[in-house]
Amino acid sequence: GAVVSQHPSWVICKSGTSVKIECRSLDFQATTMFWYRQFPKQSLMLMATSNEGSKATYEQGVEKDKFLINHASLTLSTLTVTSAHPEDSSFYICSARYRPGARYEQYFGPGTRLTVT
Amino acid sequence: SQQGEEDPQALSIQEGENATMNCSYKTSINNLQWYRQNSGRGLVHLILIRSNEREKHSGRLRVTLDTSKKSSSLLITASRAADTASYFCATLGAGNMLTFGGGTRLMVKP
Repeated sequence: GAVVSQHPSWVICKSGTSVKIECRSLDFQATTMFWYRQFPKQSLMLMATSNEGSKATYEQGVEKDKFLINHASLTLSTLTVTSAHPEDSSFYICSARYRPGARYEQYFGPGTRLTVT
Repeated sequence: SQQGEEDPQALSIQEGENATMNCSYKTSINNLQWYRQNSGRGLVHLILIRSNEREKHSGRLRVTLDTSKKSSSLLITASRAADTASYFCATLGAGNMLTFGGGTRLMVKP
């Protein structure tokens, strides 16, 4: 199946700093990328949806000024957590979707564990 | 946003036993997918069942879908310790958006 990578796989940062997470579709062009957040022992919660070249659509309750999403190309999306706080510590998962034919195919990255101290 | 609920939230069984997890959802769907997630890892896609299908098999996995009850079940037969993980259902609905259920944490004791 198609491969989606994330970098870094884990990051520790100090409160107040910003962290950038990259999501790449390695062997396909993703028309849409999704960012999810997952707290321990909980399910994935969709944060935002982004289409290449346009502004991301954020889910209710997700601060767009805090979680900056850039989908600069069909193979790369970035999530920047600005002025991170300990409560932002979570597992962030991206997903990339493309449409090889009539159906959509969606693949998930391995996740990035963010710890804010 | 979560659309569905999964039950049980946690399940502990002995190796060799079968594990059944249930998923309920609220709106109409195009398909329903099951994923597995090992602790601290990404999602692994297990199986997809379309809205016009009632049952699907893949190896030791059996998935059923009842659209009239808006529910699905995942059965893992002859479980192994390596099946220990969290299992999530996800529905593909309007706008081709994937929405996840709350997940079931399965522990298979050797």
